[in-house]
Amino acid sequence: DARVTQTPRDKVTEMGQEVTMRCQPILGHNTVFWYRQTMMQGLELLAYFRNRAPLDDSGMPKDRFSAEMPDATLATLKIQPSEPRDSAVYFCASGSGLAGGPYQETQYFGPGTRLLVL
Amino acid sequence: AQSVTQPDIHITVSEGASLELRCNYSYGATPYLFWYVQSPGQGLQLLLKYFSGDTLVQGIKGFEAEFKRSQSSFNLRKPSVHWSDAAEYFCAVATLQGAQKLVFGQGTRLTINP
Repeated sequence: DARVTQTPRDKVTEMGQEVTMRCQPILGHNTVFWYRQTMMQGLELLAYFRNRAPLDDSGMPKDRFSAEMPDATLATLKIQPSEPRDSAVYFCASGSGLAGGPYQETQYFGPGTRLLVL
Repeated sequence: AQSVTQPDIHITVSEGASLELRCNYSYGATPYLFWYVQSPGQGLQLLLKYFSGDTLVQGIKGFEAEFKRSQSSFNLRKPSVHWSDAAEYFCAVATLQGAQKLVFGQGTRLTINP
């Protein structure tokens, strides 16, 4: 059945290194969400794309984070340079875009990328 | 700003017992409300959602939730839990007026005793 895929599933890196996380939304879905989950902050929405265009990235630290959709089948979240406080699980979710607004969507989540920055 | 509160961080119930997970929100207008479940090591899965109409909403896996405007609540219920229901449950609120936002609660971890 159709699923959102994320790679890598786990990533350990050293502070200062660049990290790139990838997401493949469900085929035909035109909305993509990026979330960060930590014990302290819970689930935070970082960015939202519709039809490959970023519509809301207000939750994303702009100085080191960037999100793109090079094409309809790939979304990327990049951290450069990474810091220990970026350690978290990063989820990608996709939606069909049929709802009236982005936040009315039923979101289909990927399994997440667990990031540890040493 | 809108907020979502799940008062119970951790709940333990026996298999076969009934379950109610609480969710309260703070928002001036009628929100869109969701319940998601997260199994260990997995992403979130939608259980049910409320937009309008009947305030008692049926979802997957035998769950239901009731929207109570007077109490600003959207509690999740299940009459008889199964061991496979052990997971983390998240309530979420979407606001559609002004600056649109989607806010998740901190989650409630459910443990099932055999």
